[in-house]
Amino acid sequence: GENVEQHPSTLSVQEGDSAVIKCTYSDSASNYFPWYKQELGKGPQLIIDIRSNVGEKKDQRIAVTLNKTAKHFSLHITETQPEDSAVYFCAASEGEYGNKLVFGAGTILRVKS
Amino acid sequence: KAGVTQTPRYLIKTRGQQVTLSCSPISGHRSVSWYQQTPGQGLQFLFEYFSETQRNKGNFPGRFSGRQFSNSRSEMNVSTLELGDSALYLCASSLFGDTEAFFGQGTRLTVV
Repeated sequence: GENVEQHPSTLSVQEGDSAVIKCTYSDSASNYFPWYKQELGKGPQLIIDIRSNVGEKKDQRIAVTLNKTAKHFSLHITETQPEDSAVYFCAASEGEYGNKLVFGAGTILRVKS
Repeated sequence: KAGVTQTPRYLIKTRGQQVTLSCSPISGHRSVSWYQQTPGQGLQFLFEYFSETQRNKGNFPGRFSGRQFSNSRSEMNVSTLELGDSALYLCASSLFGDTEAFFGQGTRLTVV
């Protein structure tokens, strides 16, 4: 089955700097890669996603890139703000219906002001 | 538009008991998935329902079961609770299953 590895496990950046989180996946059949942000006491919130027919997607300060050949994808957050502090999870779809998400272990992002 | 609603938010149960958790998906969404989140194992897929049928199942024992009703609301049941079942149980809804999945706040289950 699919295996997703996520790095780093913790990341501290200064407010205004950029943050990059990287994930690798094992199943070349995976075609959907969402990123979630989870704040304390809340469920994961979908922040951006990308499908395998697209190499890059951007939404304001957040961007995701996908390299299908190398089987890795990355989340880029620019101009970080204290409210970006949270745990971020990458995921890859698996299964006949693409309805099962396999998650990375998460990255704790701390933005220092 | 209302989000995914999970009830109850918190539960405390004793070993050996059973528990039922409820999930109301976003209006119009037909797929409901359940995940278990623990500090040690992270987010793990339990099962997914679409139009009242279970389409996919994760690697959990048979004590974990679920169902979906005609209005797309879903329930999951855990029988003969063990201490290791203590976790945050999350429900996610999507239109068809292979589209964007939106999570609820979760149900925090503590087994004592």
